[in-house]
Amino acid sequence: QVQLVESGGGVVQPGRSLRLSCAASGFTFSVYGMHWVRQAPGKGLEWVAVLWYDGTNKYYADSVKGRFTISRDNSKNTLYLQMSSLRAEDTATYYCAKDLQSWLLAGGMDVWGRGTTVTVSS
Amino acid sequence: DIQMTQSPSSLSASVGDRVTITCRASQSISSYLNWYQQKPGKAPRLLISAASTLQSGVPSRFSGSGSGTDFTLTISGLQPEDFATYYCQQSYSTLPFTFGPGTKVDI
Repeated sequence: QVQLVESGGGVVQPGRSLRLSCAASGFTFSVYGMHWVRQAPGKGLEWVAVLWYDGTNKYYADSVKGRFTISRDNSKNTLYLQMSSLRAEDTATYYCAKDLQSWLLAGGMDVWGRGTTVTVSS
Repeated sequence: DIQMTQSPSSLSASVGDRVTITCRASQSISSYLNWYQQKPGKAPRLLISAASTLQSGVPSRFSGSGSGTDFTLTISGLQPEDFATYYCQQSYSTLPFTFGPGTKVDI
């Protein structure tokens, strides 16, 4: 079945780095754009980043620009989010999500992982 | 950036009620509007894309309408499993793909 499984979350000190992974299965990963979305405890959803199906284009929310890097390995069906210079306000559950449309970017997200929790605290 | 607002922020309803949630964009987004449902501790679920296209497996009691800046999500005949938080999200060409603040529907 179509599935996304995030991993790599944990507790990290401010200023440190962390890399999240998202393993995809059940669909042709290499033809879909992929997103990261986060949700701080008790708060709403915040779109974080998107990466085109072939990795050629990537965009970030202003809140993470210059600190986070989205990437993918289509040979491993895996999406990544490298997070550096972490701040307390980055504490959230991070979800990876599949774009609705193949080849193009629709912006809607029709498959979501269960999320991985990142806590930034000293 | 395009800002999204939702109203109300929360509402109380009963099983069988008709519920309407409104989403407004700070500029025209044509029909590039998606609706999600999220239950506590769970990932969001895409209900409707392109303002009115019901996703596969989503009950027909959910419907979406609107274009430009004003959109609505309607639940016709609220069921116990519909108590959740609902988010709109714009996917117009201008990134970022911002979400609305959410509308919590409870009993």
